Amino acid sequence: EVQLVESGGGLVKPGGSLRLSCAASGFTFSYAWMSWVRQAPGKGLEWVARIKSKTDGGTTYYAAPVKGRFTISRDDSKNTLYLQMNSLKTEDTAVYYCTREYNWNFDSWGQGSLVTVSS
Amino acid sequence: DIVMTQTPLSSPVTLGQPASISCRSSQSLVHSDGNTYLSWLQQRPGQPPRPLIYKISDRFSGVPDRFSGSGAGTDFTLKISRVEAEDVGVYYCMQATQFPFTFGPGTKVDIK
Repeated sequence: EVQLVESGGGLVKPGGSLRLSCAASGFTFSYAWMSWVRQAPGKGLEWVARIKSKTDGGTTYYAAPVKGRFTISRDDSKNTLYLQMNSLKTEDTAVYYCTREYNWNFDSWGQGSLVTVSS
Repeated sequence: DIVMTQTPLSSPVTLGQPASISCRSSQSLVHSDGNTYLSWLQQRPGQPPRPLIYKISDRFSGVPDRFSGSGAGTDFTLKISRVEAEDVGVYYCMQATQFPFTFGPGTKVDIK
């Protein structure tokens, strides 16, 4: 069974930093393309960042609102996905979901990690 | 980016009655490989999104057959044949034909 478990969320001041982690199990993580998707309180879903598998080049992609501030990375030896978030803004407040991309879908989702950016 | 819209944004339904949600994309979702990568996700209150349907009409494993998808090109529909209490939540369409994948605004389904 595929499992994705996020951690690392919390309260941070504007301009601060936070690193989210996503522990993956139940599938061969090193082959997977992974993404972070966020959901602001009471709002819809927004794709944030993507990383391909190392065998497919490990290329990273970012949504325009986070480009230059967020960094997605992976540690295949630990089956873990990361999202380093710097220069956080109040509009980054959201639940951040770790997702697996498979066959043109986000076919598995974690429970989410809440990030609150507030002074 | 491809913009996804949904109607209605809210749909009160009677238990046992059908429900229908429309989704429209700002451009055709037919991929160069001939497939149309239009998906539907369900988000129950307090839960993460759950994939329901992919490639317009294929159900993910474990999804009840009262959920069905249809459409082509830029216009798509999710139908629930007989709404049950567990179907309450927000339904999102999502396109995966062109990166970045984009979502519709969501349609809230609740019980009258």
